[in-house]
Parts: sequence; C-alpha cells; structure tokens
Amino acid sequence: KQEVTQIPAALSVPEGENLVLNCSFTDSAIYNLQWFRQDPGKGLTSLLLIQSSQREQTSGRLNASLDKSSGRSTLYIAASQPGDSATYLCAVHSGGSNYKLTFGKGTLLTVNP
Amino acid sequence: EADIYQTPRYLVIGTGKKITLECSQTMGHDKMYWYQQDPGMELHLIHYSYGVNSTEKGDLSSESTVSRIRTEHFPLTLESARPSHTSQYLCASSGGQGATYEQYFGPGTRLTVT
Repeated sequence: KQEVTQIPAALSVPEGENLVLNCSFTDSAIYNLQWFRQDPGKGLTSLLLIQSSQREQTSGRLNASLDKSSGRSTLYIAASQPGDSATYLCAVHSGGSNYKLTFGKGTLLTVNP
Repeated sequence: EADIYQTPRYLVIGTGKKITLECSQTMGHDKMYWYQQDPGMELHLIHYSYGVNSTEKGDLSSESTVSRIRTEHFPLTLESARPSHTSQYLCASSGGQGATYEQYFGPGTRLTVT
C-alpha cells in the first residue's frame, strides 16, 4: 500500500527566503506525482505535475523534482512571498488502471512579511 | 483555471436529513472523484468513477452513495446525515484527450451535521 510522507509538517520563514518542501513515498512504481496548494477552507490548486519519466518541472518561482528510485520529491519555492502562505500537498498516482491519488498530510507554510 | 464546480459551498443540517452534494465539470473529463478531508488531516478517497454508469468505492469507507448518469455530473448523497459526517468534501476530475491524469479540484463543500 502506497504511503506518502511530507516533511516538515509546518514551516515558518521570513519573506524573500528560498525554501524546500519534502515528500517521500514508499512504492516507487508511480505513474506521476502532483504538488497542490490548499488555502484554508478551500479546494486544491494544482501547482505542478511530474510524470514518472521526468526529473523536474518548473512554473514561475516553483520547481519540483522527482527521484523515483529513492521515492522522493521536493518542491522548491524561490523568493517566498506572504501570498505563498498555504498548505502544500504532495500526491502520488500509482498507475496501472488505478487512477487514484494517495496524499500526504501536507506542509503548512507561513511566510512572514 | 479548472472548470469544476461544487454546491453548496457550506451546509449546516440536522441529524437524519437526506443531503446531496453536487459536483459538475465542463472539461469533458471521464474520471471523477470524491475525497473527504477532516481538519488538519490528509484527503481520503471515498468514491470514484471512470465514466458514465461506472462507480467504485474508495479507500475510506463511507456511508454516502454516488451516481454518474452524465459525464459532467457526479453527485454524492447521504441518506441520513449524522454528526460523524461533518467534514469537508472535495470533488475532482481528470482525463480528456492526451490525458496526463492530472486531477483538478473543485472548491469543496464544508458539511456540518448538528
């Protein structure tokens, strides 16, 4: 059974700092991995999707990497802003005919002005 | 921005009432999903559908039921609401031509059963 762990559970940084969020998964036979952002009481916004054949994806100040063999992904946020404050969720799609995502518990990020 | 809608956004209802949470998407996605999320906890899949007239139970046992009569519509029903059903319910969809199986989420319905 796939399990997804995110470290740290919470992170507080001053504005402008570069930061890294970590995600690990137990079964490396994945189809893809998605990073989401969730604001309090809201739905999820998809940030980046990395296919299993890819090593990284970039969108603006965000860069996600994937090391499938070691079961790890990182989300790098450059020059953090107070508007980046949210919970960041990592989710793994384990492929085959199973289209379901397995989620981690998330990292609560606070960027202080 | 993904075109997936959920209504109502917030619902407070008494024990024993029947409720239906609506989810619609305009992207033509064949796959749709319902997740349940308690405060501070991870999302758990409770139902999914691969297409019209196809529904399956997810990883987390739920007393709710779903139907998929039209591609764009995937409602979730609780026949008799209980306080233990208080949670946030999130609908998602994926698919389409050249699909990467990226999932798009609606804004969620926050349900409180008193």
